[in-house]
Amino acid sequence: DSGVTQTPKHLITATGQRVTLRCSPRSGDLSVYWYQQSLDQGLQFLIQYYNGEERAKGNILERFSAQQFPDLHSELNLSSLELGDSALYFCASSVAAGAYEQYFGPGTRLTVT
Amino acid sequence: DQQVKQNSPSLSVQEGRISILNCDYTNSMFDYFLWYKKYPAEGPTFLISISSIKDKNEDGRFTVFLNKSAKHLSLHIVPSQPGDSAVYFCAAEEAGTALIFGKGTTLSVSS
Repeated sequence: DSGVTQTPKHLITATGQRVTLRCSPRSGDLSVYWYQQSLDQGLQFLIQYYNGEERAKGNILERFSAQQFPDLHSELNLSSLELGDSALYFCASSVAAGAYEQYFGPGTRLTVT
Repeated sequence: DQQVKQNSPSLSVQEGRISILNCDYTNSMFDYFLWYKKYPAEGPTFLISISSIKDKNEDGRFTVFLNKSAKHLSLHIVPSQPGDSAVYFCAAEEAGTALIFGKGTTLSVSS
C-alpha cells in the first residue's frame, strides 16, 4: 500500500458528461501529480500541484482541470467527456516539489460510453 | 516523439535466471531515472532509482545500470521469481519535474 488513495475505483459515464476524480496523498507529501494511462500508452503526465499551487503542466486538455485543497487532497475534473477520454487515471504524491520518487495510488478507471 | 523508450514489449524468463529489462532515452537533461513495477488493477510501485552521476545502483535482487554515453539504462533482476511477473516501466526526470515514462515491458517468469 503506497498510502495514496483514489476514489472512485471505477467510473462509467456518457459522452458529454463531467466527472471528478479525487486523490489523497501520502501523509506528509505536499506534491500531487496526475497521470493518464490510455490503452497501449505509457503513463502520460497531466498536471502537478505543490502545496495548493499549480507547479507544472503536461499534456492536459483544456476540458480537464485540477486543484489541490488546503488539506492537500486533489481533484481532477474532466468535462465534455469523449470516448477517447476512457483511461486509467493515476494520482501520485511526493514529499516535495522537486522530489524524484513519486508514490502512486491504485488509479481510477474511467469508461466513457 | 518519445523521450523514453522501452523497445521490448515483453520478456519471458525462467525462474532463477536473470531478467534484463532495457530502456533508452533521448533527453540528455534527464538527471534521475526510476523503475516502477505494475501489477494489474494496481498503481505503479516504485522499485529502484539511479542518479545520473552514478552508473550502478543495487538493492537486493535488483540492480540498475546507467550508461550515459549510450543514453541507456537497464534493470537486472537476479534471481528472477514468479512473483516478479508484472509490467515494468522505466521513467526519467529532469530537475524534479514530472516523470516521463516508457510504455512498459511485460515480464513473465515461469517456474
